[in-house]
Amino acid sequence: DTGVSQDPRHKITKRGQNVTFRCDPISEHNRLYWYRQTLGQGPEFLTYFQNEAQLEKSRLLSDRFSAERPKGSFSTLEIQRTEQGDSAMYLCASSLTVFYGYTFGSGTRLTVV
Amino acid sequence: RKEVEQDPGPFNVPEGATVAFNCTYSNSASQSFFWYRQDCRKEPKLLMSVYSSGNEDGRFTAQLNRASQYISLLIRDSKLSDSATYLCVVNDNAGNMLTFGGGTRLMVKP
Repeated sequence: DTGVSQDPRHKITKRGQNVTFRCDPISEHNRLYWYRQTLGQGPEFLTYFQNEAQLEKSRLLSDRFSAERPKGSFSTLEIQRTEQGDSAMYLCASSLTVFYGYTFGSGTRLTVV
Repeated sequence: RKEVEQDPGPFNVPEGATVAFNCTYSNSASQSFFWYRQDCRKEPKLLMSVYSSGNEDGRFTAQLNRASQYISLLIRDSKLSDSATYLCVVNDNAGNMLTFGGGTRLMVKP
């Protein structure tokens, strides 16, 4: 499989718990992005990595959110002390250059109860 | 003002109809433009890039008007399978990431 993989596909968690999502990009892609999407809205940018360096973070990314890409390959997104407002689809994408667009993974759907 | 604005729709059209969507963007420095398609509860998938000269891919035609800062997508001979949300996408100032519009929902009816 040469696409972008995300795990898990679905996560239901209780408010206040921590959750971690994983993304495996297309292997040749050095750029990795995290987006969040809620129902009826377009994807909203969260953060961006080039290789292992986190180069940009959205103001949407509160202190409870942290992302890593330790060896420039897979990435993790952690949400601490989840809130109901964190319920969304979390999308990972990768690319060689933004000029060719992104390839998205299937997303992780988070439900906070 | 949102960076990328789209009419959310829905656009309800009969099979075989021609339908057009427009999108406006605020960043005059944007250089890359795309249309993505997103099916319900699935990830967005690249439909086509949008070039200054306009481009066509089968039944789909995309146009860019830099002076007015809008992008269009024309779908001819609509099929039931075209029913989806169409996302207008532009790159940011630094060219590092893409900004998505809220999407336009299309429903093609028999």
